[in-house]
Amino acid sequence: GDSVTQMEGPVTLSEEAFLTINCTYTATGYPSLFWYVQYPGEGLQLLLKATKADDKGSNKGFEATYRKETTSFHLEKGSVQVSDSAVYFCALSDDQGAQKLVFGQGTRLTINP
Amino acid sequence: DAGVTQSPTHLIKTRGQQVTLRCSPKSGHDTVSWYQQALGQGPQFIFQYYEEEERQRGNFPDRFSGHQFPNYSSELNVNALLLGDSALYLCASSFRGRWQETQYFGPGTRLLVL
Repeated sequence: GDSVTQMEGPVTLSEEAFLTINCTYTATGYPSLFWYVQYPGEGLQLLLKATKADDKGSNKGFEATYRKETTSFHLEKGSVQVSDSAVYFCALSDDQGAQKLVFGQGTRLTINP
Repeated sequence: DAGVTQSPTHLIKTRGQQVTLRCSPKSGHDTVSWYQQALGQGPQFIFQYYEEEERQRGNFPDRFSGHQFPNYSSELNVNALLLGDSALYLCASSFRGRWQETQYFGPGTRLLVL
């Protein structure tokens, strides 16, 4: 079945550092790919998405490019802030329109001032 | 425009009891999905409701059941609670008519089974 693998955390960085969180997937067909963020004590918020190969999703300075050749969707940000501290989840949904999300295990990010 | 709402926010039950969680979807959405998020893990898909019927189900036992009402709101019922059912239960809504529609999540209900 479909699956998502994220780099293991936790990840701790200093403010203004460059961020990469790796995400790879296994799926048949052409899934859509998502990054969700979960702040402490809250539900999930969509950060960005890409629905086809070579698409780049971006939001709030975060970017991720859908790479079908490497089955990857790595999350990047050029300069992180303390407010970016949260848990980040990579997810996919299949191309059959089922709208069922398969999540990775999450990566906890802590940004120190 | 209200987003996805869930109630209650927290719940404590004992083993063997039954629990009902509630979800109201975002305005304009007709599909509700439920996910279980154990501590330190990613959410796991439980099931999805559309047109008042269960359309898809994840790898969860029959103790987990649900319902969708004509106003698109939904309930998740868990019978014969086990300690392992302790988790954050997330509801997500979407509009089925749009391909690859984004799912919007509620804040969740945190269930503790003692």
